[in-house]
Amino acid sequence: GAVVSQHPSWVICKSGTSVKIECRSLDFQATTMFWYRQFPKQSLMLMATSNEGSKATYEQGVEKDKFLINHASLTLSTLTVTSAHPEDSSFYICSARVRGGTAYEQYFGPGTRLTVT
Amino acid sequence: GNSVTQMEGPVTLSEEAFLTINCTYTATGYPSLFWYVQYPGEGLQLLLKATKADDKGSNKGFEATYRKETTSFHLEKGSVQVSDSAVYFCAFSDSNYQLIWGAGTKLIIKP
Repeated sequence: GAVVSQHPSWVICKSGTSVKIECRSLDFQATTMFWYRQFPKQSLMLMATSNEGSKATYEQGVEKDKFLINHASLTLSTLTVTSAHPEDSSFYICSARVRGGTAYEQYFGPGTRLTVT
Repeated sequence: GNSVTQMEGPVTLSEEAFLTINCTYTATGYPSLFWYVQYPGEGLQLLLKATKADDKGSNKGFEATYRKETTSFHLEKGSVQVSDSAVYFCAFSDSNYQLIWGAGTKLIIKP
């Protein structure tokens, strides 16, 4: 089946530093990847939609200069949290949509736990 | 606007009990409907789906039927196990193929 990986699975960083999270589709090509943030009470928030070769589309209220998204290839998207602060601590999840697929061909990564101290 | 409303949790049941997690949606047109599951410490997995009215999605003993008239997609299982303990998310795809999510329902099954 389609597999999506994320790296790292968890990261601790100091306030003011930047952290990069990678999302890879391992056995399929994904023209579109999504980045979500999951809050402690489990609700998922879509942060942005990332299309290969073009700029990401950010949801309302998400700072694009703080959460930099790059989708450089059909199998890799990265999320960089710049100048991280403790309030950015969260669980970040990516998903990848199979090229030409409909919504039910969206596969999720295992998530990355970010802790900012 | 588009939205999904699902039961607030946590839902706590004993093993072998009957499970229902309610989900209703507000959408234009006829979206595809999904249930995702997130086991402790893991990522989201598609549990089941239904793409048109009266379709029944099923997997691992779970079922949900696409009810257009009531805009609902309730999740059911006849006999739950401890291993079913997880967070369950109801969702549908909008016209841009983005997923619209419910808030999630935490299910706790006690032996």
